[in-house]
Amino acid sequence: QLQLQESGPGLVKPSETLSLTCTVSGGSISSSNYYWGWIRQPPGKGLEWIASIYYSGSTFYNPSLQSRVTISVDTSKNQFSLKLSSVIAADTAVYYCARQQRFYGSGSYLNYWGQGTLVTVSS
Amino acid sequence: EIVLTQSPGTLSLSPGERATLSCRASQSVSSSYLAWYQQKPGQAPRLLIYGASSRATGIPDRFSGSGSGTDFTLTISRLEPEDFAVYYCQQYTSSPWTFGQGTKVEIK
Repeated sequence: QLQLQESGPGLVKPSETLSLTCTVSGGSISSSNYYWGWIRQPPGKGLEWIASIYYSGSTFYNPSLQSRVTISVDTSKNQFSLKLSSVIAADTAVYYCARQQRFYGSGSYLNYWGQGTLVTVSS
Repeated sequence: EIVLTQSPGTLSLSPGERATLSCRASQSVSSSYLAWYQQKPGQAPRLLIYGASSRATGIPDRFSGSGSGTDFTLTISRLEPEDFAVYYCQQYTSSPWTFGQGTKVEIK
């Protein structure tokens, strides 16, 4: 059974960089059928897609965050990671990693999700 | 960017009743590249429907999706107690992939 697990600090100071890693177990991150993505959800609000990556390193970014976001993949560890720089209070959210079905060379729906990790931006 | 607007914001119904949730796109969602998710408090979203009308693995047949172009619907034929949750639509016609703001289905 595929499992995704987010890890990283739960508290980040304003202006610093948020760093999260998603570890994939029960399946290979190098599958040709999937992208791997990050989605966030501020407390009490809706979902926002952040970025996605293919095992080869091909990426998609949300333009609203692209200037501050870097997504990367480590196939040897079956992990992918997110870095969000210059964080502010509005970046406080539950961050989810997820598997995204690859569709005609692009991403599509998200069919497996991690449990999510709350990251709070505060001094 | 394609904006998805869901209605109503909250739906108050009793178990056994039919739920009809709407998702409207700001521009055409080509080839019905639309998905629906269910989210319960403290849990990650769960994929229910993809391709506007295809049920994901393990999803009961009381959940059905329909629609095309800019108007899509999720129908729950008979609400079970475990169906009271928040539902989101998501388009994957073009990046950035976007979600609607959600519809909460609550017990009346």
